[in-house]
Amino acid sequence: SQQGEEDPQALSIQEGENATMNCSYKTSINNLQWYRQNSGRGLVHLILIRSNEREKHSGRLRVTLDTSKKSSSLLITASRAADTASYFCATDQTGANNLFFGTGTRLTVIP
Amino acid sequence: GAVVSQHPSRVICKSGTSVKIECRSLDFQATTMFWYRQFPKQSLMLMATSNEGSKATYEQGVEKDKFLINHASLTLSTLTVTSAHPEDSSFYICSAARGQALPYFGPGTRLTVL
Repeated sequence: SQQGEEDPQALSIQEGENATMNCSYKTSINNLQWYRQNSGRGLVHLILIRSNEREKHSGRLRVTLDTSKKSSSLLITASRAADTASYFCATDQTGANNLFFGTGTRLTVIP
Repeated sequence: GAVVSQHPSRVICKSGTSVKIECRSLDFQATTMFWYRQFPKQSLMLMATSNEGSKATYEQGVEKDKFLINHASLTLSTLTVTSAHPEDSSFYICSAARGQALPYFGPGTRLTVL
């Protein structure tokens, strides 16, 4: 299976705290993307980091990529109740957009 | 941003029947469309990649005769689940991309097979 793994599987934090999710994958990649999914809904693209990048920021999101360890992390700072969702990493091996998703982290932000 | 729609959003069918799910790119021409399946509380699994005008490429373990994919135009791809069984009940999500631009995901179709 080319599916990546994420940890933790579930994370519960208080509003205002930071949330960190980790993703490990198995193959070489062209890029890695993070998505958010509210329960039973479609996906929202959050951020893309290319294989030659190590860190990327977008608003309250910070993503790191370590290709030597085949791992990535997503940090959400100053969390809000509205951040409650499932977060998935997805790898694109060739840049052809066929994505292989991680197992996901279910984040709950308690107001 | 670009919009991808799916129809229907929810479908319930009897075991043994076939169900067709449509994926449309509403404001761009999608050279490639992707179909994913997501079981409850699990991640998305890529089923197949379809390029307009050519046969779909299926991932290992996905039965091409059971999950028929047609990508007849640059704005429409269809997934037909043939002879559906309860174990096919899942959330089916498509994504569409133009060239190597980022894909846009549809809202998903929830299939329940009784």
